[in-house]
Amino acid sequence: EDQVTQSPEALRLQEGESSSLNCSYTVSGLRGLFWYRQDPGKGPEFLFTLYSAGEEKEKERLKATLTKKESFLHITAPKPEDSATYLCAVRPTGNQFYFGTGTSLTVIP
Amino acid sequence: DGGITQSPKYLFRKEGQNVTLSCEQNLNHDAMYWYRQDPGQGLRLIYYSQIVNDFQKGDIAEGYSVSREKKESFPLTVTSAQKNPTAFYLCASSPHRQGIYEQYFGPGTRLTVT
Repeated sequence: EDQVTQSPEALRLQEGESSSLNCSYTVSGLRGLFWYRQDPGKGPEFLFTLYSAGEEKEKERLKATLTKKESFLHITAPKPEDSATYLCAVRPTGNQFYFGTGTSLTVIP
Repeated sequence: DGGITQSPKYLFRKEGQNVTLSCEQNLNHDAMYWYRQDPGQGLRLIYYSQIVNDFQKGDIAEGYSVSREKKESFPLTVTSAQKNPTAFYLCASSPHRQGIYEQYFGPGTRLTVT
C-alpha cells in the first residue's frame, strides 16, 4: 500500500536554529516527490519537486533532498515568517498523489 | 494573473441540502483534482479529471459528484448522501495528463453543514 509519513508532527525552533523535517514513503514506483507550504486557512503553496534519489533543490532558507526511502526538508537559520505547515506528497505509478499529514513548524523570534 | 480560483471562501448549509463548490483555472492545465482536508489528516482525493468530459473517483468519492464540461472548470457537488461534509475543500490542477508534474492549489472553500 502506498504510504507517506511525516515527522515530527510539530516542531518549535528559535529564530536562527536550523533543523530538518522528514518525509518517509513506501510506494510502488516513485514518479515524483513534492513539498508544499501551507499557511492556516489557505491552500498549499508549491515548493519543490524531486524525481530521483540523490536530487537536491534549494530555495532561500529551504533545501530538499531525496533518497530511495525518504526526503528531508532542511531549514537553515529560520525566521518567524517560515512558520507554517509543510506537506509532503508522492506520486507513484498511476495518476494519484498521496499526501502526508504535515509538520507544523513554529519559529519563535 | 494566472491561477486557480475557488468560490466561495466560506459556505454554510443545512443538513440534507446539496451544495456546489466552484473551481476555475486559467493555467491551461489538463488535469484537475478535488481534495478534502480534515484536522490531523492528510489531503484525501475525492475526484480527479485528466481531460474534458472524463473523470475518475478518488479514495473518498462517495457522496460527491463532479463534472468537467470545460477545461477551465471542475465544480464539485457535495450531496446529502455525504455523511460528514463539514471540511476544508481544495481544488488543484497540474499541466499534463501523463507527465510527472506538480499540482497547484486554489485557496480552498471551508464548508460547514449544520
